[in-house]
Parts: sequence; C-alpha cells; structure tokens
Amino acid sequence: DVVMTQSPLSLPVTLGQPASISCRSSQSLVHSDGNTYLHWFQQRPGQSPRRLIYKVSNRDSGVPDRFSGSGSGTDFTLKFSRVEAEDVGVYYCMQGTHWPRTFGQGTNVEIK
Amino acid sequence: EVQLVESGGDLVQPGGSLRLSCAASGFTFTGDSMTWVRQAPGKGLEWVASIREDGSEVYYVDSVKGRFTISRDNAKRSLYLQMNSLRDEDTAVYYCVRGFRVFPNWGRGALVTVSS
Repeated sequence: DVVMTQSPLSLPVTLGQPASISCRSSQSLVHSDGNTYLHWFQQRPGQSPRRLIYKVSNRDSGVPDRFSGSGSGTDFTLKFSRVEAEDVGVYYCMQGTHWPRTFGQGTNVEIK
Repeated sequence: EVQLVESGGDLVQPGGSLRLSCAASGFTFTGDSMTWVRQAPGKGLEWVASIREDGSEVYYVDSVKGRFTISRDNAKRSLYLQMNSLRDEDTAVYYCVRGFRVFPNWGRGALVTVSS
C-alpha cells in the first residue's frame, strides 16, 4: 500500500501569517495516464471533509486563493498565504493513483 | 447542486449486519464511479470501497474484504454498502463520496456503532 506521511501533525498558526503542510508518498503518484492524483481535503470541526485542491495544484470552485498546492512525484505541499480563523480544522492529503486509496494521517491546524 | 445523503446508520451488535444507502442528486449518477470512506471516532479518514459507473468493477480495503459489499442501482441513483460480520473496529462515520480517483463531493455521513 502507498503510505502517505504528513508533517507536521499539529500546526499552531498566527492569524495572517503563512503556513504549509507537507505530504510525502512512499511511491510515485504519477499515473500511467500522466496525471498525478494527489488531493487535499479540509475537515472543519463537526463537518464532512471538503476537497480544496485536486491533482496537486488545482483549486476547487469557491476555495480562497490563499490556498495553493504544489509538488510532484512523491513530495507535495499545501500552502496558506495567510491563515484566517475559518481555516481551523484538520487537513488531509490523499492519493487516487494506486489501490487501495490512502490518506495522510491529517494535520490539525489551530490558531495560536 | 450535488447532494449525497446517507442513511441506514445504527447501533448493531458485533457479528451483526447493516446496510447503508446513499441517495445521489445533482449530477449524472451513471457517469460517475462512487466510493465509501469511513472515519472512526477521533481518527483519520480511511477508504473502504469503490465501484465503477456500471458496477462492473469493485474494490475493497483488505480489512473489509469478504464482509462488506458495495453495490449501486443506477435507476434509483443510489449507492449501497452491505456490511456483514461487523466488528468493534468498524465503528465509524461512513461517508458516501462521488468518484474513485478525485473525490469532489462528500455526503454528511452515517454513524455506525458496533457494540454489545
């Protein structure tokens, strides 16, 4: 199975400051069709997960442009240009290239 | 607007069975594969099972193989998860998710509690 390793697992942030989460996979996530199926999800307290970024760097509709995704192969990053109060929650990376699909452990973002 | 509404969650004893349903609307159901993802209390997300658009192929995480069955009824725009031989460790919120590679839409979830 492809292991997805996120760091850090806890991220205390200051409002208005930048932040980032790393996600590393144990195998390349480049699919034979040429796509890299690495996605980022946000789960606010008490809510269902919501996709923020798909295929590494594509922002979903309605997602603020302070969120951005980057990376390639086995190394990926979710960046916040400036953290806002509504960003509190747990963030997961997930790979959709290999079976079984696997998620990172989650990164808990909280305000200092 | 895409909507995925799960139902069927309940308290069940170990060894028991339960069937979850997911009613889909707002997109072409026959054009999308579908997935179940679960989340144990206070834990992370775990992919459980996926099914192709026409039901021709299904995929399961090892821990549920032989116990869970994913299926769909395209005429009813519904997704199902038949869960047999339930164990304590199956206790979780089960989410119905559109797709099987990119997961764009999620339901609110159905709580399954396995306990005596």
